[in-house]
Amino acid sequence: AQSVSQHNHHVILSEAASLELGCNYSYGGTVNLFWYVQYPGQHLQLLLKYFSGDPLVKGIKGFEAEFIKSKFSFNLRKPSVQWSDTAEYFCAVTPMNRDDKIIFGKGTRLHILP
Amino acid sequence: KAGVTQTPRYLIKTRGQQVTLSCSPISGHRSVSWYQQTPGQGLQFLFEYFSETQRNKGNFPGRFSGRQFSNSRSEMNVSTLELGDSALYLCASRRESGKLYNEQFFGPGTRLTVL
Repeated sequence: AQSVSQHNHHVILSEAASLELGCNYSYGGTVNLFWYVQYPGQHLQLLLKYFSGDPLVKGIKGFEAEFIKSKFSFNLRKPSVQWSDTAEYFCAVTPMNRDDKIIFGKGTRLHILP
Repeated sequence: KAGVTQTPRYLIKTRGQQVTLSCSPISGHRSVSWYQQTPGQGLQFLFEYFSETQRNKGNFPGRFSGRQFSNSRSEMNVSTLELGDSALYLCASRRESGKLYNEQFFGPGTRLTVL
């Protein structure tokens, strides 16, 4: 079955540290990839997305992600985190087949220490 | 442009009761999806409606059902509530379903507590 794995369930970092959150998916065909963020008490919102083209995509608030097709990965990165990045992060995949279902990972809770 | 709205925002029910949640998508969006969010399980897909038809369905029991109206508004119903149904129920809309995927926009959710 198609699935998305986020290996880090909880991450604690100090401000200015670098961040990398892992995301792997299981689907052999063409995919669209997303990272969503949920700040405390707020809606889920799109951080960045990959449809095609340059595998390194840049999103809002200094986040970026790299799609590595051979590794079925779409890891999220930020060179220097801020306290305001404290949130839950979700990776999501849409296999581009007739089903077109959107599959989310279980999320990673990121806590930034001031 | 108004975002996705969900009503009510909070609900408290007891076991065995049923509940109906409502979602109004962004104007012009014809696809509505529902998700159950619980700590540790992330977002679990319930179903997606497009043009009043259920297009996709997740692995939830038949107690969970939904429908979509001609104005794209959607309702979700859970019958015979169980304690494990306590969760945040999220609705998301997108412009169209199909091969060309569009970004999903999420509502604030309905927090359901089953006692």
